[in-house]
Amino acid sequence: SQTIHQWPATLVQPVGSPLSLECTVEGTSNPNLYWYRQAAGRGLQLLFYSVGIGQISSEVPQNLSASRPQDRQFILSSKKLLLSDSGFYLCAWDSGTRRAFFGQGTRLTVV
Amino acid sequence: QKEVEQNSGPLSVPEGAIASLNCTYSDRGSQSFFWYRQYSGKSPELIMSIYSNGDKEDGRFTAQLNKASQYVSLLIRDSQPSDSATYLCAVANNDYKLSFGAGTTVTVRA
Repeated sequence: SQTIHQWPATLVQPVGSPLSLECTVEGTSNPNLYWYRQAAGRGLQLLFYSVGIGQISSEVPQNLSASRPQDRQFILSSKKLLLSDSGFYLCAWDSGTRRAFFGQGTRLTVV
Repeated sequence: QKEVEQNSGPLSVPEGAIASLNCTYSDRGSQSFFWYRQYSGKSPELIMSIYSNGDKEDGRFTAQLNKASQYVSLLIRDSQPSDSATYLCAVANNDYKLSFGAGTTVTVRA
């Protein structure tokens, strides 16, 4: 069966510090991978998606970047965090069916 | 106009009753429709998917789709306290994006 791992679960970072969130999927190959952000009481905002290694599409221009160095690994990064980067970050995957499955999420607080 | 719209709620129903959640979408080319359940502080969990007009039942959940009206709904029968959560409607088009509604919060009163 397929599983998705996302870490860390919680993170408190100072403004201006770098960020690296990692997500890996097991039990499948060539998944579509996604990074979403959910602000408190809001819906999910798609940040990045990837259909293959090195292929990244950005949905919203902002202070973040994503990379896919391996088939089942997706990384979300920032060089300098802003207060507005706080939120619940969710990695997800699907096999092309759009039936997306989410990781446990990372709650990021920028202070 | 938002791509996917849901009533934010909260929707409060007594235990054992039917909870009815509604969702409308703006893109007529949408092809796949999903309902996710999200408990407070947790990630969304896929509970239903529907692709063609009509009803689809899975246990106590029934999803209904009407593409002509651009409307999808979720019924929860025999509601239980464990159903208390936020329910997210998601819509997929021909591209790779899933568009999510803001969610409807459901509270089941014991």
